[in-house]
Formats: sequence, C-alpha cells, structure tokens
Amino acid sequence: DQQVKQNSPSLSVQEGRISILNCDYTNSMFDYFLWYKKYPAEGPTFLISISSIKDKNEDGRFTVFLNKSAKHLSLHIVPSQPGDSAVYFCAAARPRNNNDMRFGAGTRLTVKP
Amino acid sequence: DAGITQSPRHKVTETGTPVTLRCHQTENHRYMYWYRQDPGHGLRLIHYSYGVKDTDKGEVSDGYSVSRSKTEDFLLTLESATSSQTSVYFCAISESGQGSVKLFFGSGTQLSVL
Repeated sequence: DQQVKQNSPSLSVQEGRISILNCDYTNSMFDYFLWYKKYPAEGPTFLISISSIKDKNEDGRFTVFLNKSAKHLSLHIVPSQPGDSAVYFCAAARPRNNNDMRFGAGTRLTVKP
Repeated sequence: DAGITQSPRHKVTETGTPVTLRCHQTENHRYMYWYRQDPGHGLRLIHYSYGVKDTDKGEVSDGYSVSRSKTEDFLLTLESATSSQTSVYFCAISESGQGSVKLFFGSGTQLSVL
C-alpha cells in the first residue's frame, strides 16, 4: 500500500512563475514531512521539512504547507528557476520511529526558460 | 556534502548470482539505510541498521540481507539475484533515530540483473 502519494508524475512551468507540487498521505501517525530533490545520476538531497505542529515553513524561495485535516501537503517554489528542474520526492516520517519514512513516487518538475 | 560512498556505481549481473553492494560513511552516524528506487514507486526501504550488528527489515526486504560489522560500513546482499531486483539502490544515513529524521543519501548504484 502506498501511504504517500504524489499524483502528478510531471509538472512544467515557465521560469519566474510559481511551481506547486502536491502530496497526500494516508497514515495519520506521520507527524513529520520532508521534501527531497533529485537530479539525474545523483542521490536525493534534503530540501525542506515541516513538523505536524506547524502549517507552514519557509526557506527562501521554498515554502511547504501542511493541511493535517486533509492529510495534504504542498511545496511552493517562487520564483521558479531552470536549475529547479529535478524530481521532487515527498516523504512522511514518525520521528520516534526513524526507520519508518515513506516516500511518494516523485514529481518531475521542468522549468522552462 | 555528507561523506557517503556507494560501490560499485554500476553493476550488471546474471540471474541467480549473489551480489553485494557496499555503503561507506565517514560521518559516524548511527543509522544507515538501504532503499531502492523504481519508477512509480519512489524510494522503498529494504533494510536499515541502528548500530553495529543491529539491523531490521524494511518494507521490501525479501531476497535481501544486510550486515554491519563496523559503524562506517553497511553491506546489502542479494542472495540470488532476480530480474525484479533490477533497480537503483541508494544508501542513506541519519544522525539520530529521534527528532532528527533528515536522511543523507549516497549517489546510488545502478544494478541490472539479466
């Protein structure tokens, strides 16, 4: 069963515009959420995270929003840049059970110049 | 960048042969993980370790075994490789099991089982 779902396999946006990547989860026990970014032939790298006690976390051009009641989170990138083109993975975790981090299937973002 | 080295980077093998992938870290982190990445599935946990000689199964552990005899090394073995194990394998490390869930990943091993 896929406990973390990214329903959009791909997204294409114009440089300078906003990119919105979405993620849904099914297990209400998850209380920590992360986004990872992956370039071809490299391992995923941590981008931004949010605890379930918050509904928003910002880091420069990246903002993650969490809606616990809907079990939904989103990553906003503003403004989008060509270097942001990558695959983005959403992950959900239970910090008291560190081994239990589940990942979505990923969304390939393409930012066109 | 976290000091994580995976070897080999690429491997082609035949069905039925044993294969061992190696992960080496220089960060002295307690937790180490093996994931596989497949289209449509994202990253799935195979096995993890929470200390020397302490390992446990993840969600897709069948056909795999692991060993950790030193803090810095975590080995993944495919006992008898099958075509369904063709995948990209990532090793990851984290500092702590509680409160710090950020994972640092290696560059991956592309494994092809023919």
